[in-house]
Amino acid sequence: GENVEQHPSTLSVQEGDSAVIKCTYSDSASNYFPWYKQELGKGPQLIIDIRSNVGEKKDQRIAVTLNKTAKHFSLHITETQPEDSAVYFCAAREPGGKLIFGQGTELSVKP
Amino acid sequence: KAGVTQTPRYLIKTRGQQVTLSCSPISGHRSVSWYQQTPGQGLQFLFEYFSETQRNKGNFPGRFSGRQFSNSRSEMNVSTLELGDSALYLCASSSSGGDTGELFFGEGSRLTVL
Repeated sequence: GENVEQHPSTLSVQEGDSAVIKCTYSDSASNYFPWYKQELGKGPQLIIDIRSNVGEKKDQRIAVTLNKTAKHFSLHITETQPEDSAVYFCAAREPGGKLIFGQGTELSVKP
Repeated sequence: KAGVTQTPRYLIKTRGQQVTLSCSPISGHRSVSWYQQTPGQGLQFLFEYFSETQRNKGNFPGRFSGRQFSNSRSEMNVSTLELGDSALYLCASSSSGGDTGELFFGEGSRLTVL
């Protein structure tokens, strides 16, 4: 089955800097790669996603890139703000529909 | 539109007991997935139900079970609790699941096993 590795586990940046979180997946047949943000005491919430037929997608300060050959995808957050502080999870969906998550990255944005 | 509702939010059990957690999906959503969240392990997939049928299953022992009712509400049960079962159990619903459905998560049920 699918296995998703996520790095780093913790990330600290200064407000205004960029943050990058990277994930690799094992199943080349996986076709959907979402990113979720989890704030303290809440459930994860989808912030951006990308499908296997697309290489890059942007939504304001957030972008995701996908390299199918290397089986890795990354989340880029520009101009970070304190409210971006949260735990971020990448995930990959197997063809059968199971969504497998990475271990999470705790992002801290220092004002 | 009401979100995903999980009950209870917090519970404490002792080893050997069993527990039942409940999840009410967003109205109209037919797929419900369950995840176990522990520090350092991320979200681990337990199972997914669609229209009362288990569609996918993760790699958890048989002590973990679930079901879905005709109104799409779902329950998961853990029998013979172990200390390692202490975790946040998250439920997520989607309109269709499969390859395209965004997951909408509840706030979770935090289980502590003593």
